[in-house]
Amino acid sequence: AQTVTQSQPEMSVQEAETVTLSCTYDTSENNYYLFWYKQPPSRQMILVIRQEAYKQQNATENRFSVNFQKAAKSFSLKISDSQLGDTAMYFCAFIQGGSEKLVFGKGTKLTVNP
Amino acid sequence: EAGVVQSPRYKIIEKKQPVAFWCNPISGHNTLYWYLQNLGQGPELLIRYENEEAVDDSQLPKDRFSAERLKGVDSTLKIQPAELGDSAVYLCASSLTSAGIQYFGAGTRLSVL
Repeated sequence: AQTVTQSQPEMSVQEAETVTLSCTYDTSENNYYLFWYKQPPSRQMILVIRQEAYKQQNATENRFSVNFQKAAKSFSLKISDSQLGDTAMYFCAFIQGGSEKLVFGKGTKLTVNP
Repeated sequence: EAGVVQSPRYKIIEKKQPVAFWCNPISGHNTLYWYLQNLGQGPELLIRYENEEAVDDSQLPKDRFSAERLKGVDSTLKIQPAELGDSAVYLCASSLTSAGIQYFGAGTRLSVL
């Protein structure tokens, strides 16, 4: 069974600085997708970034980028120029190609301090 | 374009009472998901619909939970009777296809007293 592990329950960063959230996953398959979702206090899960496992290039969305290390099964999220609005729970998630089941980690609570 | 809409946002009931949650997915999205999110945890899939057919309900506690998606659009998740341990956030999501990006609603926070 696929599992997703987020080893940092909580993190904090100063506004305008950079922070990296860790995620590791376990699978024996080669075809899969990885996601980072953000869940602010409003509870709505918002897609931050998506990575296809077959792509070697790391995905980037504005201030958000990932470091995808397929051999190490690692998928970390880097947030540059942190903003107060980035304060939220961040969930790493995995879905195997051909499967429709999205598996989430337990989340990392990120606080951006002014 | 409207996102996934859920109602109510909050629900407080006494144990053994019934409760229902409603979800309206993004227009045109064939796949609909219900997730359970316990405090401090990531969401876990309860049931997945392809149009009006429940294609994965293996994690749905069928003794007290039921769901339906009439006409392949809106969906309702019901608990009867509710137990204290059902207190959680219930999230609905939809995607264009079964392997597509999932878009989530704001969820319903259920408190069972």
